[in-house]
Amino acid sequence: EDQVTQSPEALRLQEGESSSLNCSYTVSGLRGLFWYRQDPGKGPEFLFTLYSAGEEKEKERLKATLTKKESFLHITAPKPEDSATYLCAVQPGGSYIPTFGRGTSLIVHP
Amino acid sequence: DAGITQSPRYKITETGRQVTLMCHQTWSHSYMFWYRQDLGHGLRLIYYSAAADITDKGEVPDGYVVSRSKTENFPLTLESATRSQTSVYFCASSDPGQVHTEAFFGQGTRLTVV
Repeated sequence: EDQVTQSPEALRLQEGESSSLNCSYTVSGLRGLFWYRQDPGKGPEFLFTLYSAGEEKEKERLKATLTKKESFLHITAPKPEDSATYLCAVQPGGSYIPTFGRGTSLIVHP
Repeated sequence: DAGITQSPRYKITETGRQVTLMCHQTWSHSYMFWYRQDLGHGLRLIYYSAAADITDKGEVPDGYVVSRSKTENFPLTLESATRSQTSVYFCASSDPGQVHTEAFFGQGTRLTVV
C-alpha cells in the first residue's frame, strides 16, 4: 500500500529563519512526487514535480529535493506570505493517481 | 475562464437529502478526481475517472456516486447525505498524455450536512 508521511505536522518560524519540511514515502516504483501549497479556503496549488532521486527544483525561496525514500522542501529566509499548508503527493509507477500526505502547516511570524 | 471550477462553493443540506457537487474543466484532461479533505485525514480519494464513461472507486467511495458522460464534467452525488459527509470537497484533473502529470485542483466546495 502506498504511504506518504509528512513531518512535522506544524512548524512555526520567524521571518528569515530557514528550515525544511519532510515527506517520506513508500510506493511501488515512483512515477512522480509532487509538492503543493494550500492557502486557507483554497484548493492546493501545484509547486513542483520531482521524478528521480537526486533531482532538485527551485522556485523563489523554495527548493525541493528527492531521494529514493523521501523528499525535502527547503524554505530559505521565509517571509510571512510563505505561511500555508504544504502538501506532498506521490504517483506510483503504473498509475496516474496521486496519494497525498496530511500536510505540514507552516506559519512564518514577522 | 480556463481551468477547473467547482460549484457551489458552499452548500448546507439536511441529512437524507440528495446533493450534487459539480466540477468542470476546460483543459480536456483525461483524468479527473474527487477528494475530500478533513482535519486529521488530509486529502482522501473518493472516486476518479480515467476518461469519459470510465470511473473507479478510491479510498472512501461509500455513499457517493459519480458519472462522466462528457470529458469536461465530473459531478459527485451524495445519494442520501449523512453528517459524516460534512467536509471540503476538491475536484482535480490531470493529463497523463503530457510530460508532466501533476493534478490541478478546483477551489473546493464546503459541504455541511445538518
